[in-house]
Amino acid sequence: DGGITQSPKYLFRKEGQNVTLSCEQNLNHDAMYWYRQDPGQGLRLIYYSQIVNDFQKGDIAEGYSVSREKKESFPLTVTSAQKNPTAFYLCASSARGGLNEKLFFGSGTQLSVL
Amino acid sequence: GEDVEQSLFLSVREGDSSVINCTYTDSSSTYLYWYKQEPGAGLQLLTYIFSNMDMKQDQRLTVLLNKKDKHLSLRIADTQTGDSAIYFCAEDGNTGKLIFGQGTTLQVKP
Repeated sequence: DGGITQSPKYLFRKEGQNVTLSCEQNLNHDAMYWYRQDPGQGLRLIYYSQIVNDFQKGDIAEGYSVSREKKESFPLTVTSAQKNPTAFYLCASSARGGLNEKLFFGSGTQLSVL
Repeated sequence: GEDVEQSLFLSVREGDSSVINCTYTDSSSTYLYWYKQEPGAGLQLLTYIFSNMDMKQDQRLTVLLNKKDKHLSLRIADTQTGDSAIYFCAEDGNTGKLIFGQGTTLQVKP
C-alpha cells in the first residue's frame, strides 16, 4: 500500500537532548512537509522540501533541523534549542508542491518532555 | 499577514446538519480546503473549492464560499457519530503553502 509512515508514534525527550522523528513515503512524491500541531492552534509549518537535497524554513523553524538526502525520506530533528517541544508532529507529502495538490499526511508523532 | 480563523467547538445531535464556519484574510487564495482529523491520526482531505466557485456539493458535504466576506463553510448533512473529528479549514494564500485554521472539534451526540 502506498502511503506516508511516521515513527515512532510516541517519543520522550530529556532536557538538553536532540531527538529525530522519522518520515518515509512511498508515493514517489517530490514535496514533503513537517507541521507542528498544538491544541487550539491548528497546524504550523516547520520545514518543507520540494526536491531532494533542498529544503526551506517554514513559519516556526527555530530549534528544528531537517535533511532530504533521499526522495522518500524527510527526518526532523528537534534540537535542545527548541525550548517547548511538546506537541504532535505531522509529516505530509504532495506530488510536486504546487497549487491544489492533495496533501497526504502521516499518522503523527507525539513528542513529550520528561 | 495570512490568517485563517475557526470556532473551536461544535456539538450536534446525530441526524442533524452540522455547519462549520471559517474566515480567512488572503483574497489571493486560489483554493480553499477542508481536512478531517480523527483522534491520534493525521489529516485527510475531505473536499476543496476553487475560489471562483460559490458552492460545491459532494454527497453529504456542501461547501459554501462567500469571497466578498472571505467566509467559507462546510455543511455535513445527516451527521453521524463517525463524523466526530476535528475539521480544519485551509487556504493556499499567495505562497502556495497551506495556511490552516485552528480546527473545529465536532462532537456528535447519539
